[in-house]
Amino acid sequence: DVKVTQSSRYLVKRTGEKVFLECVQDMDHENMFWYRQDPGLGLRLIYFSYDVKMKEKGDIPEGYSVSREKKERFSLILESASTNQTSMYLCASSLPGEGTDTQYFGPGTRLTVL
Amino acid sequence: SQKIEQNSEALNIQEGKTATLTCNYTNYSPAYLQWYRQDPGRGPVFLLLIRENEKEKRKERLKVTFDTTLKQSLFHITASQPADSATYLCALVGGYSTLTFGKGTMLLVSP
Repeated sequence: DVKVTQSSRYLVKRTGEKVFLECVQDMDHENMFWYRQDPGLGLRLIYFSYDVKMKEKGDIPEGYSVSREKKERFSLILESASTNQTSMYLCASSLPGEGTDTQYFGPGTRLTVL
Repeated sequence: SQKIEQNSEALNIQEGKTATLTCNYTNYSPAYLQWYRQDPGRGPVFLLLIRENEKEKRKERLKVTFDTTLKQSLFHITASQPADSATYLCALVGGYSTLTFGKGTMLLVSP
């Protein structure tokens, strides 16, 4: 079974802090994704990566950056956290080439910025 | 622009009945469509995929249909149970194997 883990289930940070959200997958997947999910807005793609050191902007990259130094790990960075970044953050991975692009999600990190 | 629509209102049904959820899309010509289940406070979990050349797909009590002319997919749960209560998301593939998700429909099955 694919396992995607996220470093924290709940996180509380202060405005202006630098925040790191870590995601690790154990199935050798090339693709990894970061989403945020807000009531009424659904899942929105922030960044994704299709290979080590490669990254692409999603629909809402402003205020975020990412890092992928190893295949299994994809980090989301909030350079200077703001209250409007309070949200549920979900990481996912997928294996390209299998013809389905099925994504496997982690349990999520609920981030509160005060 | 590409758009996916799911009924935003929760669907309330009684145990044992068939639940039918709808996913409509515009400005897409997807090769396949996926359905996911999400429980409160959890990440989505993949349920089923249906390809454009498949009219119907089944998995246990789940059935998905895909009408590329109507640009619509229907997701059915037969003999529904309270444990089926969750939010169900449809998703379409975009560039770089990304997925665009609908906002989901909440299903509530009462005993």
